[in-house]
Amino acid sequence: QKEVEQNSGPLSVPEGAIASLNCTYSDRGSQSFFWYRQYSGKSPELIMFIYSNGDKEDGRFTAQLNKASQYVSLLIRDSQPSDSATYLCAVNDKGDKIIFGKGTRLHILP
Amino acid sequence: EPEVTQTPSHQVTQMGQEVILRCVPISNHLYFYWYRQILGQKVEFLVSFYNNEISEKSEIFDDQFSVERPDGSNFTLKIRSTKLEDSAMYFCASSVLQTYEQYFGPGTRLTVT
Repeated sequence: QKEVEQNSGPLSVPEGAIASLNCTYSDRGSQSFFWYRQYSGKSPELIMFIYSNGDKEDGRFTAQLNKASQYVSLLIRDSQPSDSATYLCAVNDKGDKIIFGKGTRLHILP
Repeated sequence: EPEVTQTPSHQVTQMGQEVILRCVPISNHLYFYWYRQILGQKVEFLVSFYNNEISEKSEIFDDQFSVERPDGSNFTLKIRSTKLEDSAMYFCASSVLQTYEQYFGPGTRLTVT
């Protein structure tokens, strides 16, 4: 059974600081990696995707992928109260489906 | 910006009844998906659909479930005889190609009483 593991949190970060979210996955054959943000009662919103080892930056967000360690992370710079949400790590293997982690609850402290 | 839409936003049904959840994927996308999320739990894959047939399905997607693309825009999930444990948020998603990023619709909250 392929697994995606995340710390459930909550992770509390002061406004303006960097939030660091981590994720590990079990299947070495995984090819595509995603971070979704989910507000309570809402659908997952795609915020970052990464397919190659290394860093990928988009605005305040940076995704980092290390396939050798089977590790994906998301950094959020200059955290804002609106960033408070649950962040879902998701991994796509050779098939169609995305396997989601349980999510990390992030709380930005004003 | 194109988005996935879903109707209805909330569906209440009695146990044993049939329900159909509807989705309009993003127009140039080729792969379509249904996921569900039981309250407080993680998002779970149900089924993927490509070229008018099921591409992959999970163990959750048993004979009570079916999917269809009745026309060029809609994508539906049918549950033939609902159970209490089918109560969940159901999300439709679509992607341009297999393994590419998937975009989710707003979801349908299904409540089975």
